[in-house]
Amino acid sequence: DVKVTQSSRYLVKRTGEKVFLECVQDMDHENMFWYRQDPGLGLRLIYFSYDVKMKEKGDIPEGYSVSREKKERFSLILESASTNQTSMYLCASALRGGSAFFGQGTRLTVV
Amino acid sequence: GENVEQHPSTLSVQEGDSAVIKCTYSDSASNYFPWYKQELGKRPQLIIDIRSNVGEKKDQRIAVTLNKTAKHFSLHITETQPEDSAVYFCAASKDNAGNMLTFGGGTRLMVKP
Repeated sequence: DVKVTQSSRYLVKRTGEKVFLECVQDMDHENMFWYRQDPGLGLRLIYFSYDVKMKEKGDIPEGYSVSREKKERFSLILESASTNQTSMYLCASALRGGSAFFGQGTRLTVV
Repeated sequence: GENVEQHPSTLSVQEGDSAVIKCTYSDSASNYFPWYKQELGKRPQLIIDIRSNVGEKKDQRIAVTLNKTAKHFSLHITETQPEDSAVYFCAASKDNAGNMLTFGGGTRLMVKP
């Protein structure tokens, strides 16, 4: 069974803080993704990575960066958190040519 | 880029009735259309998908239809049960797989016992 694990279920951070969201998958998937989920907007792609050290911008990359130093781990970084980044963040992974599997999500609140 | 519209945003049905959720997409190059179910507080889970070389796919009580000409696809759930209550998301991608998905806004389905 595919396992995609996000390091935190809930996070509360202050405006201006640097925030790290971590995601680990155990199925040797090449591709990993970060989405944010907001009511009525569905899931929107922030960044994705198709290999170690490779990254591509998604639809809403502004205010975010990512890091993929190892195949199994994909980190989302908020350089300076703002209140409009309060959201549910979902990590996903997929084999090249396969279906995407999601982590359980991290609900981030920026105060 | 791709745009996926999903309707309705909420749907309430009586247990045993059928439920239909519809999605339209804008990019004719899209060729992979998965549906995800997200129960309250849980991760989205893939329930069924369809590729553009197929018009319909069925798995027990759920089915998906695709009309490439009209650029729309639909999820059909028959004999609904209370455990079908969840938010359902449609999505589309151009790489014939679950990468670079563009999601619809979601449909909250409530099945009343």
